Amino acid sequence: QVQLQESGPRLVKPSQTLSLTCTVSGASITSGAYYWSWIRQHPGKGLEWIGYIYYSGSTHYNPSLKSRLTISVDTSKNQFSLKLSSVTAADTAVYYCARDRSSWWFDPWGQGTLVTVSS
Amino acid sequence: EIVLTQSPGTLSLSPGERATLSCRASQSVSSSYLAWYQQKSGQAPRLLLYDASSRATGIPDRFSGSGSGTDFTLTISRLDPEDFAVYYCQQYGSSPRTFGQGTRVEI
Repeated sequence: QVQLQESGPRLVKPSQTLSLTCTVSGASITSGAYYWSWIRQHPGKGLEWIGYIYYSGSTHYNPSLKSRLTISVDTSKNQFSLKLSSVTAADTAVYYCARDRSSWWFDPWGQGTLVTVSS
Repeated sequence: EIVLTQSPGTLSLSPGERATLSCRASQSVSSSYLAWYQQKSGQAPRLLLYDASSRATGIPDRFSGSGSGTDFTLTISRLDPEDFAVYYCQQYGSSPRTFGQGTRVEI
C-alpha cells in the first residue's frame, strides 16, 4: 500500500523560502508509470496543483508559481521536495504531496501539512 | 486555464437519498479527462472516479459519473452516513490541471 508523508517547517516568515519533503513508502519513486506532485489548499478553499517531478528529474510547474518554485527528487531516499521562494501570507495553505498518474489524476495523497506564513 | 464550476455549493440531504453533483467546465475537457475526489473534514482528498466514469479501486458502486465536453455529473445513488463530505472535480485534459471549488454534501 502506497503511503506519502509530508514533512517540514510549519511556520515560515514572509519573503523566506518554504521547504517541504514528501517521503514515499510502499512503492518506489522510480516507478515509470507515475509522476509525483505537490498540491495545496488555502484555508477553507479549493485545491491548486503546484507542480510535479518525474524520477528522472524532469519537472512541470503551474505557471502561476513557476518563477518561485523548485521541485527536486532524491531517489536514494524515495523522497521528493518542494521549495517555494519569496513567500507571502497568500502562500499559507495545507500542502499535500500525491502520486500523479501520468499527469492525469492524483492517488493516493499524503495527509497534508499546514504551512503558515507569518512573521 | 480551464475553470471548473461546481454546483450546488451545498447539498442538504438525508441518508438513503440520491445526490447529484454538477461540474461545468469553461471549455471542453478533452477525452472526458475528469476526476472526482471526496474530502472528509481534516483528511486528504480521496480519488473516487477518473475518466469521468471509471471508479477507482475500492470505491463502492453507489458512486457513478457521467458527462462529456463541458458538463459532468457525480451521482451517489443512496447516501451512506460516511458519504457526507466535500466533493471536488478535477480536469486533466489541459495544463495546468485545475479543480472545482467543491460541493459540500451535508445532512
